[in-house]
Parts: sequence; structure tokens; C-alpha cells
Amino acid sequence: NAGVTQTPKFQVLKTGQSMTLQCAQDMNHNSMYWYRQDPGMGLRLIYYSASEGTTDKGEVPNGYNVSRLNKREFSLRLESAAPSQTSVYFCASSEMGPLVGYEQYFGPGTRLTVT
Amino acid sequence: SQKIEQNSEALNIQEGKTATLTCNYTNYSPAYLQWYRQDPGRGPVFLLLIRENEKEKRKERLKVTFDTTLKQSLFHITASQPADSATYLCAPLGDDKIIFGKGTRLHILP
Repeated sequence: NAGVTQTPKFQVLKTGQSMTLQCAQDMNHNSMYWYRQDPGMGLRLIYYSASEGTTDKGEVPNGYNVSRLNKREFSLRLESAAPSQTSVYFCASSEMGPLVGYEQYFGPGTRLTVT
Repeated sequence: SQKIEQNSEALNIQEGKTATLTCNYTNYSPAYLQWYRQDPGRGPVFLLLIRENEKEKRKERLKVTFDTTLKQSLFHITASQPADSATYLCAPLGDDKIIFGKGTRLHILP
């Protein structure tokens, strides 16, 4: 099993450009998540999907959109990138929601720089 | 608003000793608390879960305590090894919130 995979691994964008970060899991998990991690800020939840067909905002959703394409895939879109979105982005999945105690499995991350 | 505090300074521990990391939280009542390990350039990896009705949980050389009165969790690594060097994140879960602490960097010195 590959677990959670993310593409791309690295990306440089110019301000105003758009892009989609892809995430897939092969563990048949119901819940999926997008986080960003910045130095000194820790992991912050952007959006999550408790189950296929549902998405909810996390702590820092502004400037992002998500799509739960099917049970396996959860994408994160930046419509108009800003330098403040320079960060490392992690996708995660869990069998059920972590609020009932299920552990999250994280992908390797996407390092995004917006100039 | 909810707040999580972990040791902001890096922790240096001599090999073979016990490392103790602290996680304090305020303004919410988590039903669960998880601990994760993160190595540089990688995603976090789950280590342990403890429930609010459990005082202590052990897994091999790891021990976690959860004091809901003090609003604190302690994470212990006994007989520490250089391979235990990493950043450790706590994640108290509850009140419809998924929040991670900023993490504590642990260095085990040979």
C-alpha cells in the first residue's frame, strides 16, 4: 500500500497563478484533510471531508477550495495564489473522523513557494 | 479561543535518559489526545492515542498521561536513543475542533 500520496512534491508559482494540489489514499478511509504548516505556526487545518460528498472549512480556509472527487481523492485548489500561501501542504486521511479518536495518516507534503 | 502550548524551546536529553514533553491546552475539553512524531521534510506519524477517561497509556518505550483537571498531557520516552530525535506534536481532539500543537523538537545526545 502506498498510503497517502501527494502531487506535486514541489511547486513555484507567481502571484495570481492558480494550481491544484492532488491527494489520494489507498486505505479505504472515509475522512480526508488538508493542512498547511508554517514555521512557528504548527499544522493548521484548511478543509476536511468527513465522508465522500461532504466538505467543511477548517481554521484557515480563505483563498482555498477543495473537491472530494471520490472516496480516494481529495484536491486543494488555489485560485489566485498569494505570497502568504507559501507553505508546506499536507494531506491526511483517517478511517473515521479524528474527533472520535481515529488516527490520521499523513502524506509526504507539497512545498509551495509563491513569488 | 482554544489554545495549545508545547515546550517552545528544543529539548536536549542525554541518551539513555527519560525525555518528558508537555502539552497544555486551554478553553476546551478534548475527549481524546493524540501524539505524533515528525521528522524533517516528512509528514507527521501517529504514535499514541489516550482517551479522557484514561490516566495513562503505554506503548513500548512510550508513555502518555492525560490530566483533564490540569488540562495537560505528558509524553515520556524512556531509555531514549538518538533515533528518537524528532519533533513531537500533540493534538487534543474535541469540541468539534481539530487542532495541533506547534510541536517540541527533541534532540537525544549520544
